[in-house]
Order: sequence, then C-alpha cells, then structure tokens
Amino acid sequence: AQKITQTQPGMFVQEKEAVTLDCTYDTSDPSYGLFWYKQPSSGEMIFLIYQGSYDQQNATEGRYSLNFQKARKSANLVISASQLGDSAMYFCATPGGGYNKLIFGAGTRLAVHP
Amino acid sequence: EAGVVQSPRYKIIEKKQPVAFWCNPISGHNTLYWYRQNLGQGPELLIRYENEEAVDDSQLPKDRFSAERLKGVDSTLKIQPAELGDSAVYLCASSLTVTQYFGPGTRLLVL
Repeated sequence: AQKITQTQPGMFVQEKEAVTLDCTYDTSDPSYGLFWYKQPSSGEMIFLIYQGSYDQQNATEGRYSLNFQKARKSANLVISASQLGDSAMYFCATPGGGYNKLIFGAGTRLAVHP
Repeated sequence: EAGVVQSPRYKIIEKKQPVAFWCNPISGHNTLYWYRQNLGQGPELLIRYENEEAVDDSQLPKDRFSAERLKGVDSTLKIQPAELGDSAVYLCASSLTVTQYFGPGTRLLVL
C-alpha cells in the first residue's frame, strides 16, 4: 500500500528566504506521481505542483520546485523567496489504486515571518 | 474557468440530525471525489464517481452515509443520522486527467 510521510509538523521561515518541506513516500507501483497541495486557513486544497516518476527533470512551477530523489524515495517541496501569503498547511500526496485516489501525508504547517 | 463549488461552507447540527453537502465540479471533469479530512490529518477518500457511476465507495460508511451524482455533473453527500465523530471537513474534488482540483470544503460540526 502507498504511504506518505511528512516528518515536519511545523516550519518557520523568514520572508524572502527559501524553505524546503520534506516528503518521503512508499509505493509498490512501478509508475506513480507525487503531488503537493497548499491548504490555507480558509480550508480549500490548492494544487501546487506534480512530478511523475518517469519525468527526467524536477518539476517547477513559479516559486515552487520539487526536489525528486527516486533512490531516496523523497519528493521535497522547495519554495523560493517566501511570502507572507505562503503561510499555510502543505500536503504531499501520491496516487493510490492506479490514480483512483490520493494518499496524503499528515501535512506540514509553514509560518512565514516578516 | 470556475473551480469546484461546494455548499454550504459551514454547518452546525446536533447529533442524530441529517445533513447534506453539495458539490459542483469543474465543467467537463468526469471524475468526482468526496474526501473527509479530520482535524490535524490529510484528507481520506470516501467515494469516487466516474460520470454518474460510483466506482469506489469502499471507504464510505454505508450505514449512515449516502451519495449520488445524478446526470454525471453535481453531487450530493448525505449523512443520516450524524454522529459526533462525523465532525470534519468534507472536501469535493474533480479531475479530467491525473490532477485533482479541490473545492473549499464544508466544515461540519456535530454537537
């Protein structure tokens, strides 16, 4: 069965600095993907970035990049130039059952300080 | 393009009362999901629809939960009767390909 582990319950970062949120995964599927979502206090889950297991290059979307290390089974999210609006919960997820659902980690709460 | 719409955003009920949540997915997305998110945890799938067919409802507590997706567009999730442990955020998501897009959720409090 698929499993996502996020070991950092909370992280702090200074505004304009970069921050890395950790995610390790466990899956038996030969083809899989890793997703990152942001959940502000308003509650909605906002899609940030996706990396497929066969993608050769690390995914990037604006200030978000995914540091994908297949041998270590890690898919860390890097946020560059942090902004106050980045303060939120961040969830790493991987598909389960052939992309029929998402398996989420417990999340990391990020606080950006001015 | 409009995102996933959910209503109500908040609901407070007493235990044993019924409650219903509504979701309208992104236009053209044939796959619709209902997740439940308990406090301090990630979401967990309750049910998945492909068009109007429920193709995965293995995690739906069928004694009290029901769902429908008439005409393969919007969907309703119902709880009857609600229990204290049902307090959670209920998230609806839709997808066309691999990426799921979520709505704002309904925050349910059962007293």
